[in-house]
Amino acid sequence: QSVLTQPPSVSGAPGQRVIISCTGSRSNIGAGYDVHWYQQLPGTAPKLLIYSNNIRAPGVPDRFSGSKSGTSASLAITGLQAEDEADYYCQSHDSSLSGWVFGGGTKLTVL
Amino acid sequence: EAQLVESGGGLVQPGGSLRLSCAASGFTFSSYSMNWVRQAPGKGLEWISYITSTSSIIYYADSVKGRFTISRDNAKNSLYLHLNNLRVEDTAVYYCARGGGRWQHDYWGQGTLVTVSS
Repeated sequence: QSVLTQPPSVSGAPGQRVIISCTGSRSNIGAGYDVHWYQQLPGTAPKLLIYSNNIRAPGVPDRFSGSKSGTSASLAITGLQAEDEADYYCQSHDSSLSGWVFGGGTKLTVL
Repeated sequence: EAQLVESGGGLVQPGGSLRLSCAASGFTFSSYSMNWVRQAPGKGLEWISYITSTSSIIYYADSVKGRFTISRDNAKNSLYLHLNNLRVEDTAVYYCARGGGRWQHDYWGQGTLVTVSS
């Protein structure tokens, strides 16, 4: 059971928009800690996608955006492309654990 | 560009030990905090340890506390993870990741596989 909760899977057709949610608690996202998002393509290492809630990492297309409100955050992907098919993870710091926590990951399928 | 290369993984018996290394290049290693993150086969990411640039602050996940030790040698641009008293559930790909200014993990290595099995 992950400290941050993500849907196990989402899907969308090419060109569509999908949103991946990340729900935490008052000891992590709700405490004001930044949320970061990572993309893991099949068979590869994770790659930083969004940091500090809504800042795109260098080279990340503006089809990817992040937001945060209260104890939750979300990653939006517009204009879905086949190459976006991957696992996506949210991450934040947790004060009660004195460490960093990841969501369980969301598998994005492009139909 | 920053590059991280892990090594030292392999097959080890339960109760055994291993030392993982992470060689850094392309950035001033001594200026950055570092992390270890692992991923069990078919599972999600699990943060396991953090060390500041000067080794003054170290954190561990509860799952590895007392068994794993993180360290670094800034003169050798290297990060280490000593794994002791290994369990079957420690089987995973272990990644090193650089800590960014907002605690994001901004660069990752390719990972090294640790398999704990008898």
